[in-house]
Parts: sequence; structure tokens; C-alpha cells
Amino acid sequence: DQQVKQNSPSLSVQEGRISILNCDYTNSMFDYFLWYKKYPAEGPTFLISISSIKDKNEDGRFTVFLNKSAKHLSLHIVPSQPGDSAVYFCAASPKTSYDKVIFGPGTSLSVIP
Amino acid sequence: DTEVTQTPKHLVMGMTNKKSLKCEQHMGHRAMYWYKQKAKKPPELMFVYSYEKLSINESVPSRFSPECPNSSLLNLHLHALQPEDSALYLCASSPEGQTIYFGEGSWLTVV
Repeated sequence: DQQVKQNSPSLSVQEGRISILNCDYTNSMFDYFLWYKKYPAEGPTFLISISSIKDKNEDGRFTVFLNKSAKHLSLHIVPSQPGDSAVYFCAASPKTSYDKVIFGPGTSLSVIP
Repeated sequence: DTEVTQTPKHLVMGMTNKKSLKCEQHMGHRAMYWYKQKAKKPPELMFVYSYEKLSINESVPSRFSPECPNSSLLNLHLHALQPEDSALYLCASSPEGQTIYFGEGSWLTVV
């Protein structure tokens, strides 16, 4: 029973264009959402997060949008750079237990020079 | 500074061995975590310690035994593992229980 879904296993984008990574969740108790980036043979690196009281959070080239009614969030990377090529994990935690961070299956992003 | 240090980076152990994975953070974070990640899969939560007390155990088999000696250290004791336990074991910490910061991981191979 996958509570956090990332339906695109992979995505290819041209350098300089926008990358849009999508995430859907099923648990209405999820209250806090995060995006992580992972290179092979390394631990996940925190990128950006958003609380359910917001619908947008921006940090440099990274913007996360949250649509609570649709239980959907997306990560926008603009402009995309070759160094952004990695696996991106969407994650969420419920208000009842913020320690219980649950990860989606990941989307592998390739940015083509 | 969000550094979480894990040792060893690689570990090969037999099914009858006893070994330990170690994790350290000096950021004063109140929560520490163990996750397990298999190839092409997401990290799976195993254990959470909050203020040095075990707060979450995700029904992990008893051949995995966590220990939190103090607020900076987290160990994972391994005994009688199976080959299917081979994976990347990730330690993480969090100041407030929402954003968690991972270490580089320990690659475990059970032979």
C-alpha cells in the first residue's frame, strides 16, 4: 500500500529547460512534505519542503507546489542543469507523527547538455 | 552544518557474525533514525529515537537491534542476518522531527 506515489520512474529534460517532478499521496493525515535528491552511492540530500498551510515554497531554482485538495505536489527546477541529474524522492509525514517520514519510489531525472 | 557521519562505509559479514553500524551527529538534533534502502527502492524507515528513547520501531526483525548511547550516537547491532538483508543502511537526524538529514550510508553485504 503505497502512501506516496511518484508515477514517473524517469524523466529527461534539456539543459536550461524546466524539470517538473510530480508526486501524489493518499494519506489525508500527511501534513509536511519534502523533496530529496540522491546521487548513486550517497545518502539522500534534503532539497526543499512545504507545510500543508502553504501552497508554494521557493528556494533558488527549486519551487515546490502543493495542491491539498488533489493530494498532489510537484517540484519545479528551472533552469535545469546537468548536475541536477539524480534520483528525486518525494516524502511526507503525518501531523500525528512528524518523525515518521515516508518516501515515494523516486523519479530518475536526466538533464541532457 | 548538517553532517551525519556513518561508519563503516562498507561491511561484509557472514550469517553467523555479530557486527555493528555506527552513526554520529554533533548538531544537537533531538531525533535520530535508521532507514534501509535496497537498490532502485525508496528508503524504508526502521527505527526512530527521540531524546535518546526509542519512539518508532517499524516491526523490524529482532536480528536488528538499535541502541542510542547518548544524544549524539546511534548504533545498529546486527546478528544472524540473512543475505536479503544486504542493503544500504542510512542514518539520519532531525532537529525538530520534520526535516531529516541523512548520512552517506553504510553498504552492508551478508554472505
